[in-house]
Amino acid sequence: QKEVEQNSGPLSVPEGAIASLNCTYSDRGSQSFFWYRQYSGKSPELIMFIYSNDDKEDGRFTAQLNKASQYVSLLIRDSQPSDSATYLCAVRPNSGGSNYKLTFGKGTLLTVNP
Amino acid sequence: DAGVTQSPTHLIKTRGQQVTLRCSPKSGHDTVSWYQQALGQGPQFIFQYYEEEERQRGNFPDRFSGHQFPNYSSELNVNALLLGDSALYLCASSLGPPNEQFFGPGTRLTVL
Repeated sequence: QKEVEQNSGPLSVPEGAIASLNCTYSDRGSQSFFWYRQYSGKSPELIMFIYSNDDKEDGRFTAQLNKASQYVSLLIRDSQPSDSATYLCAVRPNSGGSNYKLTFGKGTLLTVNP
Repeated sequence: DAGVTQSPTHLIKTRGQQVTLRCSPKSGHDTVSWYQQALGQGPQFIFQYYEEEERQRGNFPDRFSGHQFPNYSSELNVNALLLGDSALYLCASSLGPPNEQFFGPGTRLTVL
């Protein structure tokens, strides 16, 4: 079983719609969850992080965490063509000890059509 | 506020050669992590440096080694290059190992 799984897509949405990106993880003890955006040929850019089961909102972005079901989601409201990119989900395991590495999924390619 | 910088941007090597990649962390950050990203894949953790020591290592062979300097900058060395080492090498910095990591622009390594 892969540690972090994402639908590779492509996920295609019209401009102005809500894009919903999902991620599941296998380590039930994972504590910290991150969403990175990566444009083609560029490096990942941190856009959201979430640690608790409460929704976290930042502008048009909302991150949702469900630890019981072991999934994380990212909602992008009012999607714009500039949101077209690959979205990477990253998970950091249990904070006990000194395990601070990020484990990434393969990413979901999002295309927003004008 | 200077972000994470990496050099060189691109590099072409042949099999068996050795390469050194460099990273300067974001201003105020003291921890550097290195990742390898193959085409179509998510980044894979190589190792993390904090206080000039390798604190954690991913599933990479000993051909991959690193160093952190007193000014927090870091180097990644890869010996005996293989074709499969061709990838985007990413450096990420953070303020302490547990905190959010910010990536540099990466070094694109091509091994022929």
